[in-house]
Amino acid sequence: NAGVTQTPKFQVLKTGQSMTLQCAQDMNHEYMSWYRQDPGMGLRLIHYSVGAGITDQGEVPNGYNVSRSTTEDFPLRLLSAAPSQTSVYFCASSYLGPESGEQYFGPGTRLTVT
Amino acid sequence: AQSVTQPDIHITVSEGASLELRCNYSYGATPYLFWYVQSPGQGLQLLLKYFSGDTLVQGIKGFEAEFKRSQSSFNLRKPSVHWSDAAEYFCAVDNAGNMLTFGGGTRLMVKP
Repeated sequence: NAGVTQTPKFQVLKTGQSMTLQCAQDMNHEYMSWYRQDPGMGLRLIHYSVGAGITDQGEVPNGYNVSRSTTEDFPLRLLSAAPSQTSVYFCASSYLGPESGEQYFGPGTRLTVT
Repeated sequence: AQSVTQPDIHITVSEGASLELRCNYSYGATPYLFWYVQSPGQGLQLLLKYFSGDTLVQGIKGFEAEFKRSQSSFNLRKPSVHWSDAAEYFCAVDNAGNMLTFGGGTRLMVKP
């Protein structure tokens, strides 16, 4: 199993550009999520999905869109990048259920917006 | 709203010394609690988790954590630190089914 994969590993954008961060998992997990990591703030939840066709907002959703057309893939879209979106982005997946909270994380995408 | 506090941003210990990383949470019900570790340039890996039952839980790499309801704490411990333990450690609470709230992290440095 490849686990959770993310592409690209690094990206530099100019303000106003758009891009999609890719995330895929091969563990047949129902739950997938996107976090951003900023120094001293831990990880903050952007969006999550409990299954194909179902998405919801997390703590910091503004400026980001997601969709979940398949169980395996959960892309994160930045429609108009801003310097405040400079961060490291992590995708994670897990089984659903009250005791399933073990999430498997991808290696991250480091995004810089200039 | 739930929150997780890790009071120590940086900790330095000597190799072979014991380690305790602090975590306090604010949450109305009995939470599900986790410790994750992040090595430089890597994603997060689960060290251990607490759902219910025995309040002392064992994890991977020789780590353990103790849930103390009266103190709203879930501190991580290791009796003898190895140089390879240098990393950033995150405490997290599962507040609504798979939705993790993370603390700010503690960066551990290990002196030879």
